[in-house]
Amino acid sequence: AQKVTQAQTEISVVEKEDVTLDCVYETRDTTYYLFWYKQPPSGELVFLIRRNSFDEQNEISGRYSWNFQKSTSSFNFTITASQVVDSAVYFCALSDGSGSARQLTFGSGTQLTVLP
Amino acid sequence: DTAVSQTPKYLVTQMGNDKSIKCEQNLGHDTMYWYKQDSKKFLKIMFSYNNKELIINETVPNRFSPKSPDKAHLNLHINSLELGDSAVYFCASSEGPGQSLPANIQYFGAGTRLSVL
Repeated sequence: AQKVTQAQTEISVVEKEDVTLDCVYETRDTTYYLFWYKQPPSGELVFLIRRNSFDEQNEISGRYSWNFQKSTSSFNFTITASQVVDSAVYFCALSDGSGSARQLTFGSGTQLTVLP
Repeated sequence: DTAVSQTPKYLVTQMGNDKSIKCEQNLGHDTMYWYKQDSKKFLKIMFSYNNKELIINETVPNRFSPKSPDKAHLNLHINSLELGDSAVYFCASSEGPGQSLPANIQYFGAGTRLSVL
């Protein structure tokens, strides 16, 4: 069975601080995908990144970066120089890559509050 | 142009009523989903349809019935609403098996906040 754990329920930082959101996953599949979604206060779910299990390269997109480590089954998300607009709930999710059942298993989310 | 649109955005109703939530996507995707987000923000899959065919049906009361008239639409009908049905319901879509890879990215609608009184 798939499982995603986001141990940090809430994090508060002051603007311009760096912050890392942790994500640990469990799966028996060798082919799988990992995702991060953002849910701002307005409520919609916004796709941020997808990573497949065969690509362990870290990725940077502006102030966002992701560290994928298969050895520790982790896919952590770092925001550099955080801004108030980064305040949101961030979800890590896992999907296996086989067949037609492409459901996402979500972690419980991390509420990030960036204070001015 | 909204890629995945849900209506209504808010739904307030009495216990025992029947209600529907509509979802439409204009992304040309083959697969659509319904998720439920509870008051603690936990997101859980309810159903998934691929080309109008049900492929995922999690343990959901049979008061919930998804209907897919075509691959661009997946509506959710709920009979005999209960207090515990109060939640935010999200529709999503993604490319399906057989469509071009890489796939699996699910795009979500804005959600429907259902309040059962």
